[in-house]
Amino acid sequence: GAGVSQSPSNKVTEKGKDVELRCDPISGHTALYWYRQSLGQGLEFLIYFQGNSAPDKSGLPSDRFSAERTGGSVSTLTIQRTQQEDSAVYLCASSLGYSNQPQHFGDGTRLSIL
Amino acid sequence: GENVEQHPSTLSVQEGDSAVIKCTYSDSASNYFPWYKQELGKGPQLIIDIRSNVGEKKDQRIAVTLNKTAKHFSLHITETQPEDSAVYFCAASHSGYALNFGKGTSLLVTP
Repeated sequence: GAGVSQSPSNKVTEKGKDVELRCDPISGHTALYWYRQSLGQGLEFLIYFQGNSAPDKSGLPSDRFSAERTGGSVSTLTIQRTQQEDSAVYLCASSLGYSNQPQHFGDGTRLSIL
Repeated sequence: GENVEQHPSTLSVQEGDSAVIKCTYSDSASNYFPWYKQELGKGPQLIIDIRSNVGEKKDQRIAVTLNKTAKHFSLHITETQPEDSAVYFCAASHSGYALNFGKGTSLLVTP
């Protein structure tokens, strides 16, 4: 079956521009997560959705970062006024809605800020 | 918040040998511990997970052990093969949802 799909796979943009990253979770998965992976680093939690609500957005690094989810399916992560330190791979995962369920990851969007 | 430490950062073994990767966590409330394998250019792939009510879990050549008292869990890969070469991440969750990851172990299996 289809896994987690992320687009675009690569994005290069100039400092100061806004970017939108998209995640299409596995069908039937009510929980959706965004993580960030910087070069040579582990994965850093950003935000978690249960349906269309975000019970935990504690990992968003600044108010330039926001995310939404509509129809309990597709999610978009938006970064406004991008900075060079935003360069990273942004990974999306989804799982069943119960606690401690296996999270299945997409292949990420590699974001480069010039 | 939760802090997950992972060792070693790099590991080189010969094909057929065993590999062990160790992680410690700081939050005693953590109760879910997955392990992921990540190949270059790909997203992390779940290989095994364990919950805090279990001390050990095995799936073919892969096993995970958990010591809740010591706040320590380990990944064991036996009979390693070149295709096991990848970066491995441990993680812990106390919320049931957000995962806190270690910084990864780059495993190289040489023929």
